[in-house]
Amino acid sequence: DTGVSQDPRHKITKRGQNVTFRCDPISEHNRLYWYRQTLGQGPEFLTYFQNEAQLEKSRLLSDRFSAERPKGSFSTLEIQRTEQGDSAMYLCASSLYSSGGLRDTQYFGPGTRLTVL
Amino acid sequence: GENVEQHPSTLSVQEGDSAVIKCTYSDSASNYFPWYKQELGKRPQLIIDIRSNVGEKKDQRIAVTLNKTAKHFSLHITETQPEDSAVYFCAASDLLGAGGTSYGKLTFGQGTILTVHP
Repeated sequence: DTGVSQDPRHKITKRGQNVTFRCDPISEHNRLYWYRQTLGQGPEFLTYFQNEAQLEKSRLLSDRFSAERPKGSFSTLEIQRTEQGDSAMYLCASSLYSSGGLRDTQYFGPGTRLTVL
Repeated sequence: GENVEQHPSTLSVQEGDSAVIKCTYSDSASNYFPWYKQELGKRPQLIIDIRSNVGEKKDQRIAVTLNKTAKHFSLHITETQPEDSAVYFCAASDLLGAGGTSYGKLTFGQGTILTVHP
């Protein structure tokens, strides 16, 4: 399977615990995005990378969230001291972006569903 | 920042009928407008997209129209089939940074639950 993959698919944790999710993008893609989706809503942007550089982080993202893409390939999203409000589907997407190209098709992974008890 | 409004929130049609979903956006700098289909428990999948230099694009039974002046775009599905039943999301993005902000991130609408009855 050459699509975007995410691990784990499901995570149940207790409030206050730390969790880490992994995303493996399509191999030649230089951009990687993280979104959060709650029930009945569209995905909401969290942060994104171009290669290993984190170019933007949503103002809605608290300091408890951190993301890395150390070698410009896979990425991790960590949530510290989880709260019940963090319960959501965390989606990763990747794209092959080129400057001057008016297209940046994002391909989504299956998501990690987080439940905070 | 960008704000995307989508309606209707639910749409029920008979098989063979057409379905239309409409979105409006607020940021005139947006220049890329994809549509995603999400089946229950599945990942969002791109079904069609349009750039701001094009007014209409068609792919078999699916078409998208864009009115830059009014800042709205629409998805048209003709000859609907039960397998078209899903949640559809519109999105907007500024790929060129013309708005002075970083580019690439998608701002999504709230989604439309489409049900096609056999």
